[in-house]
Amino acid sequence: GQNIDQPTEMTATEGAIVQINCTYQTSGFNGLFWYQQHAGEAPTFLSYNVLDGLEEKGRFSSFLSRSKGYSYLLLKELQMKDSASYLCAASDSNYQLIWGAGTKLIIKP
Amino acid sequence: NAGVTQTPKFRVLKTGQSMTLLCAQDMNHEYMYWYRQDPGMGLRLIHYSVGEGTTAKGEVPDGYNVSRLKKQNFLLGLESAAPSQTSVYFCASSPPGQGMETQYFGPGTRLLVL
Repeated sequence: GQNIDQPTEMTATEGAIVQINCTYQTSGFNGLFWYQQHAGEAPTFLSYNVLDGLEEKGRFSSFLSRSKGYSYLLLKELQMKDSASYLCAASDSNYQLIWGAGTKLIIKP
Repeated sequence: NAGVTQTPKFRVLKTGQSMTLLCAQDMNHEYMYWYRQDPGMGLRLIHYSVGEGTTAKGEVPDGYNVSRLKKQNFLLGLESAAPSQTSVYFCASSPPGQGMETQYFGPGTRLLVL
């Protein structure tokens, strides 16, 4: 079957660094997405990886290892506004997104 | 440019009632999707459309119907609502040329079925 695993909740301190992990099993693979979702709002696109390696975009970076079925999202210099859920999604052989349940990130001052 | 909009934002239904959720996008996107999001679970695809006049079933289509009569609109219908359909419903769209990826979401519709 198809499955996405990510931690349910994480806590970090303002100004620190946090890494959110995601493992996936899909029928075929066409890329890994990360979305951010603030409470009561819609998901918004953060990053997309299809090749192995690290993609950096400002304070956020995303890493992919296709051989391990593994990705992480790295958030640096955490700000209170980064408190949100982070959704991992893998694109399968039909280009449909398989979604994880999301990781709720709590930032403490 | 409004992006993806959804109507209504919130609705309460009684079991057995019907309703239609409207999604509209002004970005000229080919692909549109309806998801539901429940606590502790990932987004689950209900139905999707790869173009005007076409629709297809997703992961959890039972109890729902859809129509895409115009490119910019994607309607989700509940013919006979059940308490299990209490959820937050998100519509999304994808730009042309990128397949069914990089989806842009509407603000969601919160549905409570009593």
